Amino acid sequence: NAGVTQTPKFQVLKTGQSMTLQCAQDMNHEYMSWYRQDPGMGLRLIHYSVGAGITDQGEVPNGYNVSRSTTEDFPLRLLSAAPSQTSVYFCASWNLGGTEAFFGQGTRLTVV
Amino acid sequence: DAKTTQPTSMDCAEGRAANLPCNHSTISGNEYVYWYRQIHSQGPQYIIHGLKNNETNEMASLIITEDRKSSTLILPHATLRDTAVYYCIVRVLTGANSKLTFGKGITLSVRP
Repeated sequence: NAGVTQTPKFQVLKTGQSMTLQCAQDMNHEYMSWYRQDPGMGLRLIHYSVGAGITDQGEVPNGYNVSRSTTEDFPLRLLSAAPSQTSVYFCASWNLGGTEAFFGQGTRLTVV
Repeated sequence: DAKTTQPTSMDCAEGRAANLPCNHSTISGNEYVYWYRQIHSQGPQYIIHGLKNNETNEMASLIITEDRKSSTLILPHATLRDTAVYYCIVRVLTGANSKLTFGKGITLSVRP
């Protein structure tokens, strides 16, 4: 099992560019979520999904879009990147009713 | 979701027990106490969870007070590799509200 795979690991964007952060899991988990982590802070929830076709906003959703067309994939889209979106992004997945969440290794995004 | 309160940091000597406290005074009856840790800005890693009974696994022990308003994570023989940020989280297991909400956590430094 690969677990939770995030791509890319590093990315530099110019202000105003768009891009998609990829997240895939091979554990057939219903629940997937995206977090961002800024220096010295804990993880903040951006968006989450409880199953294919179902998404909802977390604490800091502005500037990000998500979709969940399959159980395995949960891409995060930055529509128009801003320097304030410079952060480390983590994707996580788990089974509803399950006990353990699995996290990817993170995507380090810099917006200049 | 109930909020948790943790000290900002603590340290302990290698080989000694590390006792990490957490307050969750507004925890609901169906909310579990979870502990995760994050090493060197990697993705968080699940450690242990519990509802009201004390729990032990190969990584740690979790002691929950009888009124469930606080808990302690115990690393019985801390090693240098246990230096990390430890997050105490309360959450329900099922449904859309089973999201993980992270605070700032407690930074544990294990000294030689």
